[in-house]
Amino acid sequence: ETGVTQSPTHLIKTRGQQVTLRCSSQSGHNTVSWYQQALGQGPQFIFQYYREEENGRGNFPPRFSGLQFPNYSSELNVNALELDDSALYLCASSLRGSNYGYTFGSGTRLTVV
Amino acid sequence: AQSVAQPEDQVNVAEGNPLTVKCTYSVSGNPYLFWYVQYPNRGLQFLLKYITGDNLVKGSYGFEAEFNKSQTSFHLKKPSALVSDSALYFCAVRNNYGQNFVFGPGTRLSVLP
Repeated sequence: ETGVTQSPTHLIKTRGQQVTLRCSSQSGHNTVSWYQQALGQGPQFIFQYYREEENGRGNFPPRFSGLQFPNYSSELNVNALELDDSALYLCASSLRGSNYGYTFGSGTRLTVV
Repeated sequence: AQSVAQPEDQVNVAEGNPLTVKCTYSVSGNPYLFWYVQYPNRGLQFLLKYITGDNLVKGSYGFEAEFNKSQTSFHLKKPSALVSDSALYFCAVRNNYGQNFVFGPGTRLSVLP
């Protein structure tokens, strides 16, 4: 059984650029959620994908968008990067309807300069 | 709206002593409560959860937590702390129809040898 893998592990981008982060879900999981963890804070919910459609969204602007693919892997795209977007981005997979928690990846550390 | 409070930014305990990391929550509907641990440069690791049933929940690495509905608390405990327990601990909640977790701000646990 494989866990959740995220790529890249670290990334440096310039303000105004666009970035794509990738996530492979755990085997058997069909739902992917993305969280943003700013330094010194708890993770904040960005959105969730199920059956390749957005299935819930937190308080993030439209420049944060995502995709889920038929194999349940997912991408997080952020356009027009701002300095405040610097954070650890966590992907978590789960099985919809299950009472179990998420399985988290190790995250992508994004630094916007 | 759901919310989680972790009133202590930092908890220091001596190795071998009992530890408690506090969590209180607010949620409409039945709460699903979780504890996660985060080591440096890593994602979140699941420790334990409360869905229903016994108020005392046992989890990984000797941790346990007690659900107290009247005090809306879900404190994490361990009878004898290890230096290797030093990490960042997050309490999280969702209700029984929610799609995403709301995380607390985290508590940094330092176990001193």
